[in-house]
Amino acid sequence: EAGVTQFPSHSVIEKGQTVTLRCDPISGHDNLYWYRRVMGKEIKFLLHFVKESKQDESGMPNNRFLAERTGGTYSTLKVQPAELEDSGVYFCASSPVGRLNTEAFFGQGTRLTVV
Amino acid sequence: AQSVTQLDSQVPVFEEAPVELRCNYSSSVSVYLFWYVQYPNQGLQLLLKYLSGSTLVKSINGFEAEFNKSQTSFHLRKPSVHISDTAEYFCAVSPYSSASKIIFGSGTRLSIRP
Repeated sequence: EAGVTQFPSHSVIEKGQTVTLRCDPISGHDNLYWYRRVMGKEIKFLLHFVKESKQDESGMPNNRFLAERTGGTYSTLKVQPAELEDSGVYFCASSPVGRLNTEAFFGQGTRLTVV
Repeated sequence: AQSVTQLDSQVPVFEEAPVELRCNYSSSVSVYLFWYVQYPNQGLQLLLKYLSGSTLVKSINGFEAEFNKSQTSFHLRKPSVHISDTAEYFCAVSPYSSASKIIFGSGTRLSIRP
C-alpha cells in the first residue's frame, strides 16, 4: 500500500512568486492534514480536511495560503504571493475515518525555500 | 491550549549507551501522547503512542516511553542505542476533545557516535 505522497520534495522560489504543493493521501483516508515546520521550530498544524470539507483551518497563517481538496482525494496548498517567512518544511498527513490523530500517517514533506 | 516542551534540542551519545529524550507537556484536558521520528531524508513516522491503559508503551525497535500524569511527562528511553537510531525525535500530544490537531514539540536531534 502506498503511503502519503507529497510533490515536489523541494521547491525554491523567489519572493512574490506562487507555489503549489500537492499531497496524495493514503487511498481511502477521509482525513487529510497539513502541517508546517519553520526554521527548525516545532511542527505546527495548518488545517484539516474531512473528505473535501475544511473541518478546521485555524492554523492557516494568513490569506496568502489556500488549501483545496477537490473530490476528497488529493489536496493542494497554494502560497500566493510567497514571502521569505514561508520557508520551511510542509508536511501532509492522512488518517482513516474515526481514527483522526490516533493513526495519522505523514508524508516526507516538501521543503520550500523562498529567496 | 496545549504545549509540548522538549528540553534538549540535541543529544549526542555513544553507540550502545542508554539514552533518554525528555518531554513535558501542558494541557488542561486529557491528551493522547506520541513520539514521532524523522530519519535523515525521510518523512515523519509514528514511533509509539499512549492512548490509555498501561502507562509504559514500547516500540518495535526497542524504545519505550512512560506516561507520568503527575509530572506531565512522556520521556523516551532506550537502554542501548545503535547508529541506525540517528534521527530527530518529536514528542506530541493531541487532546481528546479536539483530536483533529497534533501539537508537536520542537524536536530533539539524536546523534550516535561510534
